[in-house]
Amino acid sequence: GQQVMQIPQYQHVQEGEDFTTYCNSSTTLSNIQWYKQRPGGHPVFLIQLVKSGEVKKQKRLTFQFGEAKKNSSLHITATQTTDVGTYFCAGPVKDSNYQLIWGAGTKLIIKP
Amino acid sequence: DTGVSQDPRHKITKRGQNVTFRCDPISEHNRLYWYRQTLGQGPEFLTYFQNEAQLEKSRLLSDRFSAERPKGSFSTLEIQRTEQGDSAMYLCASSLIGGWGTNEKLFFGSGTQLSVL
Repeated sequence: GQQVMQIPQYQHVQEGEDFTTYCNSSTTLSNIQWYKQRPGGHPVFLIQLVKSGEVKKQKRLTFQFGEAKKNSSLHITATQTTDVGTYFCAGPVKDSNYQLIWGAGTKLIIKP
Repeated sequence: DTGVSQDPRHKITKRGQNVTFRCDPISEHNRLYWYRQTLGQGPEFLTYFQNEAQLEKSRLLSDRFSAERPKGSFSTLEIQRTEQGDSAMYLCASSLIGGWGTNEKLFFGSGTQLSVL
């Protein structure tokens, strides 16, 4: 069946280091969304990518959508403690107008 | 704050009992979703309403689960004869219809954490 894989599961970084999470879909996606979930919180929408090869930036966050529209990445430059949380990618389920299929998330942990 | 609100925040129940959760979406949003999330996983789609119509339901969803959105505003999710495997965070989300070719962004509530003993 359709799958969305995210790696790594966890990433430990020192504050100020960079962080990257990768999302790979088993099928071509019409678009991909990224959400952030703080510890104990709920997912919060970050961005949506629609076009093949699209790159979008939000301050220190850079989002990319692959040329084949099957993979995506989120890169955070110079992490801060406020970046702590789990980052999820989500894409539309094939043959559904409403369902999103989610990756398992990458947890960003800042080393003390 | 006019975000998505869910009630209760926590629910502890014994196996076999019925439970009901409520979700109040953002008032102008016509789409409402229920998701379930377990530790270390992304949200899993359960069901979707557009206004009061339930348009889609996960094929994996047991018949013990039922959801309603009677007047196109708030929604309830009921689980009958709860099992330990039902323990999870139940998240409600709402949205407005997005543009062609896109999924509109979801606004999530804080969720109801269900523990089945």
